[in-house]
Amino acid sequence: AQSVTQPDIHITVSEGASLELRCNYSYGATPYLFWYVQSPGQGLQLLLKYFSGDTLVQGIKGFEAEFKRSQSSFNLRKPSVHWSDAAEYFCAVGVPTGTASKLTFGTGTRLQVTL
Amino acid sequence: EPEVTQTPSHQVTQMGQEVILRCVPISNHLYFYWYRQILGQKVEFLVSFYNNEISEKSEIFDDQFSVERPDGSNFTLKIRSTKLEDSAMYFCASSGRRGYSGELFFGEGSRLTVL
Repeated sequence: AQSVTQPDIHITVSEGASLELRCNYSYGATPYLFWYVQSPGQGLQLLLKYFSGDTLVQGIKGFEAEFKRSQSSFNLRKPSVHWSDAAEYFCAVGVPTGTASKLTFGTGTRLQVTL
Repeated sequence: EPEVTQTPSHQVTQMGQEVILRCVPISNHLYFYWYRQILGQKVEFLVSFYNNEISEKSEIFDDQFSVERPDGSNFTLKIRSTKLEDSAMYFCASSGRRGYSGELFFGEGSRLTVL
């Protein structure tokens, strides 16, 4: 069965600094990969997704992620963090043979942004 | 912007009581989901629903759980006899398209506390 690991439970960065959130997945073939963000009191919002093709994926709010098959990773990056990016970030994997959007999520990384 | 709405935002109940969590998906969506997140753990898939029947369900979704779409707008999750371990945040989601080609839109969640 597929699984997702987000090694960092909590990360603090200064506003304007760069950000990288780590995500490693376990699956025998190329999965579908997603990053979601949850701001306080909000639902989960899709930041970006990877299905196939270009391994560098651009998302909303200036985020990008790179799929690295050799490392089984799909790390999320942002060159310059804004205070409004403080939230919880979830990496998720989906199995291509599935019919439902039955995603397997990581435990999340809470991002704190200092001014 | 259309959104998925969930009620109640927080419910406290006694063990053994029945609970109904309600969701209003985005109006033209056809695929509906429930996920849950136990505090400190991963977001987990519970069930998907399409064309008035369950498409897929996880091992968590046992006979104590049921879903229905009683009218054209609501999508409900019922837990017949709650247990302590049912305490969690329950997320409803909807999608306009089948499988992973369609983005999942999540609600803000309903926090269930079982005493």
